[in-house]
Amino acid sequence: GQQVMQIPQYQHVQEGEDFTTYCNSSTTLSNIQWYKQRPGGHPVFLIQLVKSGEVKKQKRLTFQFGEAKKNSSLHITATQTTDVGTYFCAGPLRGAQKLVFGQGTRLTINP
Amino acid sequence: SQTIHQWPATLVQPVGSPLSLECTVEGTSNPNLYWYRQAAGRGLQLLFYSVGIGQISSEVPQNLSASRPQDRQFILSSKKLLLSDSGFYLCAWSVRNTEAFFGQGTRLTVV
Repeated sequence: GQQVMQIPQYQHVQEGEDFTTYCNSSTTLSNIQWYKQRPGGHPVFLIQLVKSGEVKKQKRLTFQFGEAKKNSSLHITATQTTDVGTYFCAGPLRGAQKLVFGQGTRLTINP
Repeated sequence: SQTIHQWPATLVQPVGSPLSLECTVEGTSNPNLYWYRQAAGRGLQLLFYSVGIGQISSEVPQNLSASRPQDRQFILSSKKLLLSDSGFYLCAWSVRNTEAFFGQGTRLTVV
């Protein structure tokens, strides 16, 4: 069935190192969304990408949407301890009636 | 402004007992509504979604059910809880599968 896959599942970095998580869909997506969930909290929306090849930046975070609108990535430059959490991508499937999340990438940081 | 209320925040229930979790949304009309479950340290599993009153789509066969008696009310129920039903239950809403807003979640422990 239609799925949204995300890798890696876990990533541990030293503070100041970069971090990237990748998201792949089995079908073309009308949009891709990224969320952050802090430990013990609920997912919070970060950004939505709509256009093929779109790149958006939020301070140290760079989001990309693939040309085929089937993959996406989130890159964090020079991680800080405040970046700790689980990052999820999500895409609308089945005629955009349901929102399916990737498995998430849990980021931990060594200060 | 839009808000989402989900309660209770935590719940401990014995095996075989019934369950009712309620979620209400304010400040928007005809939202898409979702129930997700998150096992400890894991991803978001879509359980049910609804695009309108009385319209429920089930994603995972299990002993849970959902209902939408009013436009902005979404209820998750079970007649008899299993140990495997333990987890973090999250209600969310969106408009046509754009940005999703999550409730604070309910941590359910079945003992």
